[in-house]
Amino acid sequence: EAQVTQNPRYLITVTGKKLTVTCSQNMNHEYMSWYRQDPGLGLRQIYYSMNVEVTDKGDVPEGYKVSRKEKRNFPLILESPSPNQTSLYFCASSLSAILAGYNEQFFGPGTRLTVL
Amino acid sequence: QQPVQSPQAVILREGEDAVINCSSSKALYSVHWYRQKHGEAPVFLMILLKGGEQKGHDKISASFNEKKQQSSLYLTASQLSYSGTYFCGTEPHDYKLSFGAGTTVTVRA
Repeated sequence: EAQVTQNPRYLITVTGKKLTVTCSQNMNHEYMSWYRQDPGLGLRQIYYSMNVEVTDKGDVPEGYKVSRKEKRNFPLILESPSPNQTSLYFCASSLSAILAGYNEQFFGPGTRLTVL
Repeated sequence: QQPVQSPQAVILREGEDAVINCSSSKALYSVHWYRQKHGEAPVFLMILLKGGEQKGHDKISASFNEKKQQSSLYLTASQLSYSGTYFCGTEPHDYKLSFGAGTTVTVRA
């Protein structure tokens, strides 16, 4: 089944404790992206990747890191999480890196993160 | 820069129509529309490319006026299954897809 998977789905952690949220897609998509969703703010893009080893900042990259060493995986790293990073996170992928807007985005199920 | 959606929320009775608007301050290549049910991931509805074409998905259709940098989503003869939050996503001349804050649609029997 074609899908985007994220792990963990739920995470409660404490301020400053490094964490990684994994994202994997099995559709051979070039473009992958991370979003955070907060009430009243919609989906805001954190980072995106056009292909392996090619990443760039979205609208809200502060406090996050990403890497794209393999085409299928795009982990989101919070090196020192803070309470303002409490949010619902979605990973998404689409077929082509050429003008992502031409391609449907497939979203993962989401990761609800709470930072105490 | 996020596009602006309006209204923030709308309540409909089954069979009624609604329009959701999305506007951007930047020139756009494309506009996406997604729907998110409570507790679920957003699901793709349609993409509109510059050129002003109108698209449809069942009784949900959309238009894109690239000169005004605006798009509208039309819900016609709404059904209970149309309830959810609708997001527009806009792509200017880069690879970033920016989403609006969303419009919550509630359809009541």
